[in-house]
Amino acid sequence: ETGVTQTPRHLVMGMTNKKSLKCEQHLGHNAMYWYKQSAKKPLELMFVYSLEERVENNSVPSRFSPECPNSSHLFLHLHTLQPEDSALYLCASSQGQGFLEQYFGPGTRLTVT
Amino acid sequence: GENVEQHPSTLSVQEGDSAVIKCTYSDSASNYFPWYKQELGKRPQLIIDIRSNVGEKKDQRIAVTLNKTAKHFSLHITETQPEDSAVYFCAASKNNDMRFGAGTRLTVKP
Repeated sequence: ETGVTQTPRHLVMGMTNKKSLKCEQHLGHNAMYWYKQSAKKPLELMFVYSLEERVENNSVPSRFSPECPNSSHLFLHLHTLQPEDSALYLCASSQGQGFLEQYFGPGTRLTVT
Repeated sequence: GENVEQHPSTLSVQEGDSAVIKCTYSDSASNYFPWYKQELGKRPQLIIDIRSNVGEKKDQRIAVTLNKTAKHFSLHITETQPEDSAVYFCAASKNNDMRFGAGTRLTVKP
């Protein structure tokens, strides 16, 4: 698959587990983003990375920890999650900061039991 | 912070009719307004966008209008087709923040 890929596509984890979501973009973009999509709520921006530098988002709980080792890869490390964290987690990328012409990945469907 | 309201939440039209979805935003500093289409079980896809220095933009059957004074923008789809059926999201962004509307489920009946 080209464009933006995400693994795993589905993940079930217990509240005490630690897991990581991975995103990879093959578009040569230099900005990457994590979003949370919950049922009956607007899409929520979680984190922004531009040129591998993180832009803080104070509204995201510390149990979510992003990592961007290079401009093509983005991770979301998860630990001690709550059932309300169950959602579709979408990664996106764009050329340049500012969200212009974002391209989304297929998402990881996360279920916290 | 920014607040984006989107209406209607559901919209059903007959094939060939037009569909209009409206969004309002609260932060006058917002300067980029994209629209995304998300089919069931698929990723959101950008269908059209507009920047704050432009009042209208058109791409084939899809158009977006922006009224900065009133802080609202609209998506217009003409000659709708069944494959236009999806959830459509508007968004408003500035700097390092983007806020989305709650979405409009559009159904085009053949």
